[in-house]
Amino acid sequence: IAGITQAPTSQILAAGRRMTLRCTQDMRHNAMYWYRQDLGLGLRLIHYSNTAGTTGKGEVPDGYSVSRANTDDFPLTLASAVPSQTSVYFCASSEFGTGLHEQFFGPGTRLTVL
Amino acid sequence: KNQVEQSPQSLIILEGKNCTLQCNYTVSPFSNLRWYKQDTGRGPVSLTIMTFSENTKSNGRYTATLDADTKQSSLHITASQLSDSASYICVVSANSYGGATNKLIFGTGTLLAVQP
Repeated sequence: IAGITQAPTSQILAAGRRMTLRCTQDMRHNAMYWYRQDLGLGLRLIHYSNTAGTTGKGEVPDGYSVSRANTDDFPLTLASAVPSQTSVYFCASSEFGTGLHEQFFGPGTRLTVL
Repeated sequence: KNQVEQSPQSLIILEGKNCTLQCNYTVSPFSNLRWYKQDTGRGPVSLTIMTFSENTKSNGRYTATLDADTKQSSLHITASQLSDSASYICVVSANSYGGATNKLIFGTGTLLAVQP
């Protein structure tokens, strides 16, 4: 089934540790995104990529980095996790980054930083 | 400040009944408005996307309306089913976030529970 996969499904992490959340899409979409969802807040954009080889900062990029080496994969790295990064992380993709293109979301990764 | 506010925060209805969810926004420059359904433990799924010139759009039992003058939108669910239990998120797109992409501003959602 075409779509977006994320790994891991959930993770408990000690503060200060490095963590990479994986995201893969098989729809050949050009644009990909990382969001975090926290209780009482709407989804917030962390980083985005409009095409392979390019990335951009979203609303809350501090403490996170991304890379886009190819079309399908868009990993999100926490270099040194802090408790405030406890959240549910969603990866999404769309055919292009502008206009009316629908964003398709992955199932999410629930991350707890202790 | 770009904001999207939804009401009510939560709603309980009986199976078979209709309901309407509200969304008010202050987003500029406006590009489009989207409604998403998010089941518990899952990612959001798009229901409708409307541009400035569209007043209404339907997707099965879901009908979204948009009043760009008052900056309000509603999502009407007809003949509710147990599977409609979910969070419904209003999302407004602003043109050119940093000149590179559309910025989506997400509401916090309305949590709907449909009871038998």
